[in-house]
Amino acid sequence: GNSVTQMEGPVTLSEEAFLTINCTYTATGYPSLFWYVQYPGEGLQLLLKATKADDKGSNKGFEATYRKETTSFHLEKGSVQVSDSAVYFCALSGDQAGTALIFGKGTTLSVSS
Amino acid sequence: DVKVTQSSRYLVKRTGEKVFLECVQDMDHENMFWYRQDPGLGLRLIYFSYDVKMKEKGDIPEGYSVSREKKERFSLILESASTNQTSMYLCASSLSKTGELFFGEGSRLTVL
Repeated sequence: GNSVTQMEGPVTLSEEAFLTINCTYTATGYPSLFWYVQYPGEGLQLLLKATKADDKGSNKGFEATYRKETTSFHLEKGSVQVSDSAVYFCALSGDQAGTALIFGKGTTLSVSS
Repeated sequence: DVKVTQSSRYLVKRTGEKVFLECVQDMDHENMFWYRQDPGLGLRLIYFSYDVKMKEKGDIPEGYSVSREKKERFSLILESASTNQTSMYLCASSLSKTGELFFGEGSRLTVL
């Protein structure tokens, strides 16, 4: 079945540093790909998504490109802020109609000033 | 603004107690989900529902049951709570079966 693997954290960066969080997937068919973010004390919220190969999702300065050839959907941001400190989850749609999203284990990002 | 509301943010229960976790969404979504979040394990799907009165098992349904009597409400039930069910429980809803999920703030359950 479909699965997703994301880099383990924690990731610790200084403000204005470049961020990459790796996410690779295994899937049959053509899944949609998502990045969710969870700020401290809150539920998850959608950060960005891509529904087909070569699509680029972007939001709040974050970007990720759906790469079918490398089965990847890496999250990037050019200059992180302290307020970006959160847990980031990569997710993909299930391999059968009627199944729920499948999430990675999450990567904790900590940004210091 | 879309909203998924979980009835309790923090609960402390004793082993063997019956526990109800309630979730309500105001977006008229047909699809609702219960996940469990644990450090190092990410989110694991417990149960989901694509329509009123229907339910499907997720990856870890053992020890849990659910109820969906109304479209907007999806309840997670622990018939006899155990310490290994201490966790953060997240409810979510979606318009399409594999589309964007809208999450509640979570219910942190501690079983003593």
